Amino acid sequence: DAKTTQPPSMDCAEGRAANLPCNHSTISGNEYVYWYRQIHSQGPQYIIHGLKNNETNEMASLIITEDRKSSTLILPHATLRDTAVYYCIVALPGGTSYGKLTFGQGTILTVHP
Amino acid sequence: AAGVIQSPRHLIKEKRETATLKCYPIPRHDTVYWYQQGPGQDPQFLISFYEKMQSDKGSIPDRFSAQQFSDYHSELNMSSLELGDSALYFCASSLKGPGDEQYFGPGTRLTVT
Repeated sequence: DAKTTQPPSMDCAEGRAANLPCNHSTISGNEYVYWYRQIHSQGPQYIIHGLKNNETNEMASLIITEDRKSSTLILPHATLRDTAVYYCIVALPGGTSYGKLTFGQGTILTVHP
Repeated sequence: AAGVIQSPRHLIKEKRETATLKCYPIPRHDTVYWYQQGPGQDPQFLISFYEKMQSDKGSIPDRFSAQQFSDYHSELNMSSLELGDSALYFCASSLKGPGDEQYFGPGTRLTVT
């Protein structure tokens, strides 16, 4: 599995955009970039994923560089409830004999009033 | 929407006892994953099943075993419990297909005394 590197912590003001970076320079051609978050002791929550194109859903946007070596998760209007550990994970797709998620250090995002 | 169900939510056992954790995936999901999260640690993949067959194996101790049944629910059996087995155990489920996301349950908190 490709290794990811994320900053250990970030702060964001409520209502502002939170931009969380992730480096994954060893990603292979068929690996996806997934973002999950975990609010204290709850089950991790899926946010978004992508292969090579930028993606947007109701929670966030994912920007993947053209060489796929890095990506940025964007929470457009952060709220206090977005305070969590955010994990960037590179993995083969699930539903096959792969799909396991390897959680790394993650970024602790703190949204403050 | 239906979510992943885990039971029990809390379990207290003594050393050398056995424990069985249960996971009921989201309806129509055919893949189940088990993760262990120790205190202050990131979730670690244990084992996964696809269509009732073991599909991948992580750092699961030999004292642990798991299976997926015909109704797709899964059970994690833990024997000869040790103090170090105290952790949150998460189950996740996903649908077959490329890039499919995993949906996590609320977890079972196991305390070994």
